[in-house]
Amino acid sequence: GAGVSQTPSNKVTEKGKYVELRCDPISGHTALYWYRQSLGQGPEFLIYFQGTGAADDSGLPNDRFFAVRPEGSVSTLKIQRTERGDSAVYLCASSVLGAYNEQFFGPGTRLTVL
Amino acid sequence: GENVEQHPSTLSVQEGDSAVIKCTYSDSASNYFPWYKQELGKRPQLIIDIRSNVGEKKDQRIAVTLNKTAKHFSLHITETQPEDSAVYFCAAIIGNAGNMLTFGGGTRLMVKP
Repeated sequence: GAGVSQTPSNKVTEKGKYVELRCDPISGHTALYWYRQSLGQGPEFLIYFQGTGAADDSGLPNDRFFAVRPEGSVSTLKIQRTERGDSAVYLCASSVLGAYNEQFFGPGTRLTVL
Repeated sequence: GENVEQHPSTLSVQEGDSAVIKCTYSDSASNYFPWYKQELGKRPQLIIDIRSNVGEKKDQRIAVTLNKTAKHFSLHITETQPEDSAVYFCAAIIGNAGNMLTFGGGTRLMVKP
């Protein structure tokens, strides 16, 4: 079946603009995660959804970042007033619910803030 | 929170040799340790994982060992091949505390033919 998909694959924006990044998880996966990966580093956790609700948003760096998953499937990560330091690859992952289940990653969205 | 350290950051081996990557973690409550392989420009993909109730797991040329007392775990790749060249990430998770992965900094493995 289809894996996790993310759109757009690349996004270039100007400092101060608003961006939305979309994630389509694997069908039936209740858990959804957002991570951010800077060049040469490991992914860093941002937020985790169980169904429609954000179960843990402790990784969001500040209040410019927000994510939603209104119907428990597709999720959107929203970044307001983008800064150059927001430039990174934003990865989405999904899994069946449960602590030891594999997280399947999407291809990521490369965000560049000029 | 959890902190995962990974070393070496780069590793170069000759084809056919073995490669070992080591990680340490800080939170003794961590109980699940996956390893991901990421090729350039691609998504991370799980290659092997281990739970805290076992000390070793093997899958063909790949094995992972876990020492809970010392809080470290290692990835072993035997008979390396050029297609093993990639960045490898270890991760740790506290299974009952949110399921988010904490990743190490990555190891760039280069297998020379």
